[in-house]
Amino acid sequence: QVQLVESGGGVVQPGRSLRLSCAASGFTFRSYGMHWVRQAPGKGLEWVTFISYDGTNKHYADSVKGRFTVSRDNSKNTLYLQMNSLRSEDTAVYSCARDPTLWGYDSNYFDYWGQGTLVTVSS
Amino acid sequence: EIVLTQSPGTLSLSPGERATLSCRASQSVSSSYLAWYQRKPGQAPRLLIYDASSRATGIPDRFSGSGSETDFTLTISRLEPEDFAVYYCQQYGSSLTFGGGTKVDIK
Repeated sequence: QVQLVESGGGVVQPGRSLRLSCAASGFTFRSYGMHWVRQAPGKGLEWVTFISYDGTNKHYADSVKGRFTVSRDNSKNTLYLQMNSLRSEDTAVYSCARDPTLWGYDSNYFDYWGQGTLVTVSS
Repeated sequence: EIVLTQSPGTLSLSPGERATLSCRASQSVSSSYLAWYQRKPGQAPRLLIYDASSRATGIPDRFSGSGSETDFTLTISRLEPEDFAVYYCQQYGSSLTFGGGTKVDIK
């Protein structure tokens, strides 16, 4: 079955960097686009970024553009999120999610999600 | 950016009752690119509906989606105990945005 397991969260000071990972299994990772979605404490869901199946097409939310970078290693079935210049408002649970479109270049919706990893930005 | 407004914020119902959840968009959602998710505490969100009215794999037929352009509805025909959760709508017609959620709790 499809499994997505995030790691790399923790407490980090404002202005610092953190890299999250998402290990995928149970499906052909290299065939699907992937997303990161976050949920701040007590708030709703916010889409963060999308990467196409081959890594050539990437989209970002305005709130993270220029600070966050999404990447993937299809040989390791792993998705990454490099977060730089972190702010207190980036505090959230970050989840990776699969886009359902096979060989998709554009972002759609999410058919499988991970449980998430908590990132806390605080001095 | 398309803003999605979900109502009501909380819906208090009893098992067996019908639940009607609304999702209103600030502008028309192209091609009815709207999805619904269920989220329970400590669990990953579960896809229920995509393309406004298509049920995802394995979703019981008591869940149905309808609507177009700016007004969308998720209906749960008869609430089962496991249906008490938070429900989110999400549009993918223009970038990706979520609604604020509707909590369905036990009356």
